Amino acid sequence: KQEVTQIPAALSVPEGENLVLNCSFTDSAIYNLQWFRQDPGKGLTSLLLIQSSQREQTSGRLNASLDKSSGRSTLYIAASQPGDSATYLCAVNSGNTPLVFGKGTRLSVIA
Amino acid sequence: GAGVSQTPSNKVTEKGKYVELRCDPISGHTALYWYRQSLGQGPEFLIYFQGTGAADDSGLPNDRFFAVRPEGSVSTLKIQRTERGDSAVYLCASSQGAGELFFGEGSRLTVL
Repeated sequence: KQEVTQIPAALSVPEGENLVLNCSFTDSAIYNLQWFRQDPGKGLTSLLLIQSSQREQTSGRLNASLDKSSGRSTLYIAASQPGDSATYLCAVNSGNTPLVFGKGTRLSVIA
Repeated sequence: GAGVSQTPSNKVTEKGKYVELRCDPISGHTALYWYRQSLGQGPEFLIYFQGTGAADDSGLPNDRFFAVRPEGSVSTLKIQRTERGDSAVYLCASSQGAGELFFGEGSRLTVL
């Protein structure tokens, strides 16, 4: 059974810092991995999708990497801003099975 | 529609009542998913539809929960004899095949 772990559970940084969020998964036979953002009381917004054959994806200040063999992904946020404050969720798709989510990392960027 | 639409956004009910939650996926998306999210947790899978049929309902917690998607578009999640433990945010998502998932804003259910 696929399990997804995200570390740290919560993170507080001053504005302008670069930061890394970590995601690990137990079964490396994945189809793709997706990073989401969730604001309080809201649904999930897709940030980046990495296919199993890819090593990384970039969107603006966000860069997500995937190391399938070691069961790890990282989300790198450059030059963080207060508007980046949210919960970031990692989810793994193993093909014919539904997305399995981690519990998320709650990020606070302090102005 | 432009995105996944869920109604109602908030539902308060009494223990023992019946509840229906509706999801309208992105037009043309064949796959539809229901997840449940409790406070401080990641979303937990409930059921997944491919077209009109439930491809995987292994996440439904018990037989009080049921979902339908009769025409392969809109889906309804039905909860019978609600219990306080059913209180959560119910999230719906859709995708084109096994691609990127797009989520709605969720339906917050509170059972008193």
